[in-house]
Amino acid sequence: DAKTTQPPSMDCAEGRAANLPCNHSTISGNEYVYWYRQIHSQGPQYIIHGLKNNETNEMASLIITEDRKSSTLILPHATLRDTAVYYCIVRGYTGANSKLTFGKGITLSVRP
Amino acid sequence: DSGVTQTPKHLITATGQRVTLRCSPRSGDLSVYWYQQSLDQGLQFLIQYYNGEERAKGNILERFSAQQFPDLHSELNLSSLELGDSALYFCASSPTWGPTNIQYFGAGTRLSVL
Repeated sequence: DAKTTQPPSMDCAEGRAANLPCNHSTISGNEYVYWYRQIHSQGPQYIIHGLKNNETNEMASLIITEDRKSSTLILPHATLRDTAVYYCIVRGYTGANSKLTFGKGITLSVRP
Repeated sequence: DSGVTQTPKHLITATGQRVTLRCSPRSGDLSVYWYQQSLDQGLQFLIQYYNGEERAKGNILERFSAQQFPDLHSELNLSSLELGDSALYFCASSPTWGPTNIQYFGAGTRLSVL
């Protein structure tokens, strides 16, 4: 699976959009981009995933660049409860293994 | 609530001991994954089972073993415990396997080895 690069931290004001970037320059054509988050020491929570088109669900939007080398997770109206570590993960078909490879993630702090 | 149930929530034990962590997957999910999260190593994949069979192995120590039972629940057995095994252990489940299968995680078991 391709490696991802995320800045270590960012913050945003409550009620504003949080745009979390991720670089995955070595991604291959059949690899998906996944986002999970972990609030404190709770279990990781699935947010969204995509292959090449932009995706939106009730939690967030995922914008993938045309060359697929980077993506942005958008939380449209961040709340204090969105403070968490966000993981960008690239996931493909590697034989029988469909594991998630977590990096260090980006710590998002939402301030009042 | 992800639908994945892990027990116990907390476990405190001594070095050299053996413990068993249990995971009940979401209803209908055939794949179960185990992950370990320690302060120095982050979240790491240990092992995956699919419909009772081991499907993939990650950085799982030889002292650790797992199995998935006919009712699809899974157990992770940790033996000859060392201080460094203190960590959060998460179980996840998905319907089948492959990169389009979303993994849903349980709340974890916090293991403290004293």
